[in-house]
Amino acid sequence: KAGVTQTPRYLIKTRGQQVTLSCSPISGHRSVSWYQQTPGQGLQFLFEYFSETQRNKGNFPGRFSGRQFSNSRSEMNVSTLELGDSALYLCASSLGLQEKLFFGSGTQLSVL
Amino acid sequence: GENVGLHLPTLSVQEGDNSIINCAYSNSASDYFIWYKQESGKGPQFIIDIRSNMDKRQGQRVTVLLNKTVKHLSLQIAATQPGDSAVYFCAELAAGGTSYGKLTFGQGTILTVHP
Repeated sequence: KAGVTQTPRYLIKTRGQQVTLSCSPISGHRSVSWYQQTPGQGLQFLFEYFSETQRNKGNFPGRFSGRQFSNSRSEMNVSTLELGDSALYLCASSLGLQEKLFFGSGTQLSVL
Repeated sequence: GENVGLHLPTLSVQEGDNSIINCAYSNSASDYFIWYKQESGKGPQFIIDIRSNMDKRQGQRVTVLLNKTVKHLSLQIAATQPGDSAVYFCAELAAGGTSYGKLTFGQGTILTVHP
């Protein structure tokens, strides 16, 4: 069974640009969560989607958004990038809500 | 104040020793706990989980202990191997309150296993 797949693996952007990250969950998993990981703040919850609906949201500005498609694949978007958005963005999937998460390898975003 | 950088606790052990990694959680409403292992360049990998109706759970070479009275979680790794070297995170999931549904991670512990 394939794991959680995130693309791209690495991304370099400049301030002010926007970026879209993609995540394909484990087959059969209907919940997708996104996390931001930085050396300064550790792992921080961004949002969670289930059945194409955002079920939960972390404390991030509105520049961070996401969506989930009918096949459970998810994308997250960050607009008007700031230097502080440089981080490893991790996607995780689970069978349902409130269940253990399985993580992808992440997308390493560098904002210059 | 704002974190300028997390200084992760570290644990160094010799190959073959047992390792114990500790975690204090803050939310008394948390009822589900998970340990993850993260190797360099990879995402966190699920190790073991435990629900609040249990105080101990064993897996292959790993044991998780939960003490709800003092809000403490520990991960024991038996016969630690060099491949166990990684950052270990505990995570808690709250059953209610403002953190409901959000898996909250601890800061992590760096485990280094020397051959």
